[in-house]
Amino acid sequence: SQQGEEDPQALSIQEGENATMNCSYKTSINNLQWYRQNSGRGLVHLILIRSNEREKHSGRLRVTLDTSKKSSSLLITASRAADTASYFCATVRKTGTYKYIFGTGTRLKVLA
Amino acid sequence: EAQVTQNPRYLITVTGKKLTVTCSQNMNHEYMSWYRQDPGLGLRQIYYSMNVEVTDKGDVPEGYKVSRKEKRNFPLILESPSPNQTSLYFCASSQQGQRNYEQYFGPGTRLTVT
Repeated sequence: SQQGEEDPQALSIQEGENATMNCSYKTSINNLQWYRQNSGRGLVHLILIRSNEREKHSGRLRVTLDTSKKSSSLLITASRAADTASYFCATVRKTGTYKYIFGTGTRLKVLA
Repeated sequence: EAQVTQNPRYLITVTGKKLTVTCSQNMNHEYMSWYRQDPGLGLRQIYYSMNVEVTDKGDVPEGYKVSRKEKRNFPLILESPSPNQTSLYFCASSQQGQRNYEQYFGPGTRLTVT
C-alpha cells in the first residue's frame, strides 16, 4: 500500500492538554499537509509544510517534518473540546504523478 | 462563497444501476480529485484531473469513470455499481501551481449499493 500511516490511531486527552500525532510516509515528497475532519464531514485544510521546511506554526498548531525519517508530527497545544475530530496527513510527490496519498488518520477526543 | 459542492449527498441504489455523482467548484481551480473513504483505510484517491480534458488514475480507479469537459465540473460515474463501492465519497479541488496548494473538499456523498 502507498498509504501513509498515522499514530496513534486514537487519542483521548483532557481539555487544556497538548495532543501530538505522528505521520509516516514512503516516497519523496513536495509537501506534507494536515487536514481535520469532523465526524463524516468534508476535510478542512490545517497547515502545509514544504519538503525544505523543518517546522511550521499556525495558531495553536505546530508541525514538524523530518524528511530523512519520512515522518511528520502535528502538535495541538492547549486543546479544546472543539478540537475533537479526526486528523489526516497527506503527501504530494515531488515529481511525476500528482497523486495525493492520505494517511489512515488519528481520532482525537478532547474531554471537557 | 468559495466552495465545492457535491450532489447528491446521500444515495441508495441497487447493483448494476448506473449513477453519476456531480462535483462543482467556483474557485477556478485547475486540479480536481475524487476520493473514497472507508473505515480504517483513510482516504484513497480514485481519479484526479489537472485541467480540462486531462485526467489520470489515482490508487483505486477500478469501477469508476470521470470526465472533465469544463473547468468547474468533475463528475464521478459508476457505470455498474457493486456493493464494494458502498462508501463515503469526497470531491476536492485546488490550484495547481507548483503543488504547494491545499485542497478544498466538498461535503461528501454517502453511497450505499445493495
